Amino acid sequence: EIVLTQSPGTLSLSPGERATLSCRASQSVGSNYLAWYQQKPGQAPRLLIYGASSRATGIPDRFSGSGSGTDFTLTISRLEPEDFAVYYCQHYDNSRFTFGPGTKVDIK
Amino acid sequence: EVQVLESGGGLVQPGGSLRLSCAASGFTFNNYGMSWVRQAPGKGLEWVSTISGGGANTYYADSVKGRFTISRDNSKNTLYLQMNSLRAEDTAVYYCAKVVVRLAYGMDVWGQGTTVSDSS
Repeated sequence: EIVLTQSPGTLSLSPGERATLSCRASQSVGSNYLAWYQQKPGQAPRLLIYGASSRATGIPDRFSGSGSGTDFTLTISRLEPEDFAVYYCQHYDNSRFTFGPGTKVDIK
Repeated sequence: EVQVLESGGGLVQPGGSLRLSCAASGFTFNNYGMSWVRQAPGKGLEWVSTISGGGANTYYADSVKGRFTISRDNSKNTLYLQMNSLRAEDTAVYYCAKVVVRLAYGMDVWGQGTTVSDSS
């Protein structure tokens, strides 16, 4: 079973700054079945990135995903006030889904 | 509008049962796998179960296998989760989500969730 680790646990930044979030898998992720979600307090998660690097419909281009194998990154190029939230990576493999523990991006 | 709406949550004693429902609209329901994902208070997301579009194939997290049953009624565009032998650690918000194979199995539509709480 693949385990996902996200770092840092909390990222304190100011609006306009660049955010770099990491997701590491315990073993290589096949076919880039790696997604990123954003969740704000009291709301459902929202799909941001699928296939490691493709933006979901309606997602601003300040969000980008990269990586392969075991190391993946979500980058927010310039933080907007609405981007302060928790971000989860998620992997699909053999009919099972695994979520990482999340990274909270909060206002510095 | 594409949406899913969960219902059926509530207070339940340990050992009890509950059935969650998820009504879908705005998309061809039987074309998509559907999942349940839960979130315990103050915790992260945990995948619970997935069912294929036709309903023939079901998958479960180890934590719920043998206690929970996922099913769907494509004539009613509705997803279900039958939860038996509930434990305190099953307390969570339960979300249903649409799974899209062409999005590398990303979940692109989520409901607002329904809350299952331990009454003890």
